[in-house]
Amino acid sequence: DGGITQSPKYLFRKEGQNVTLSCEQNLNHDAMYWYRQDPGQGLRLIYYSQIVNDFQKGDIAEGYSVSREKKESFPLTVTSAQKNPTAFYLCASTPSGASYNEQFFGPGTRLTVL
Amino acid sequence: GQNIDQPTEMTATEGAIVQINCTYQTSGFNGLSWYQQHAGEAPTFLSYNVLDGLEEKGRFSSFLSRSKGYSYLLLKELQMKDSASYLCAVTIEKLSFGAGTTVTVRA
Repeated sequence: DGGITQSPKYLFRKEGQNVTLSCEQNLNHDAMYWYRQDPGQGLRLIYYSQIVNDFQKGDIAEGYSVSREKKESFPLTVTSAQKNPTAFYLCASTPSGASYNEQFFGPGTRLTVL
Repeated sequence: GQNIDQPTEMTATEGAIVQINCTYQTSGFNGLSWYQQHAGEAPTFLSYNVLDGLEEKGRFSSFLSRSKGYSYLLLKELQMKDSASYLCAVTIEKLSFGAGTTVTVRA
């Protein structure tokens, strides 16, 4: 079945450590997105990529980095520069960069920094 | 940025109707989407409005007025499984989400 996978579902890290969250899709979608969600808040866009080897900063990119070396994969690294990294992270994709009306989401990774 | 406002919480009885309002202030607006998100899970797409008017999809309907910067999601014949957060999202160059409305359905 086609879909988006994120692993792991729960992740714990010590303060000061970088951590990479995985996002893989087999939907053949061109565009991929990373969002952060905090309790009682909506989704905030971290980074997005409309095509392989290209990506743009979203609204809250500071302290994060991404790569898009393959169409299927869009990993997110949470660096030690991110002041408050504990959050629920969601990856999403759309068929093309213009298809913003329906995004397909992965199950999310809940990151806790101790 | 975009100002997207929706109520924080709503409570309704099973079998009833609930209307979730969303207002937005933005330029370059392309359309408005609604997503449903159960606690601890990923959002799932419900509807997308680009033209003024009502779009009906089963028990859920979504309305848009571009001139008023206003949308609502109407949930009819409420079921317990409809208890979730409902996110309004405005499409410009990319999606911008509201904070969400938590709907609690009581028996």
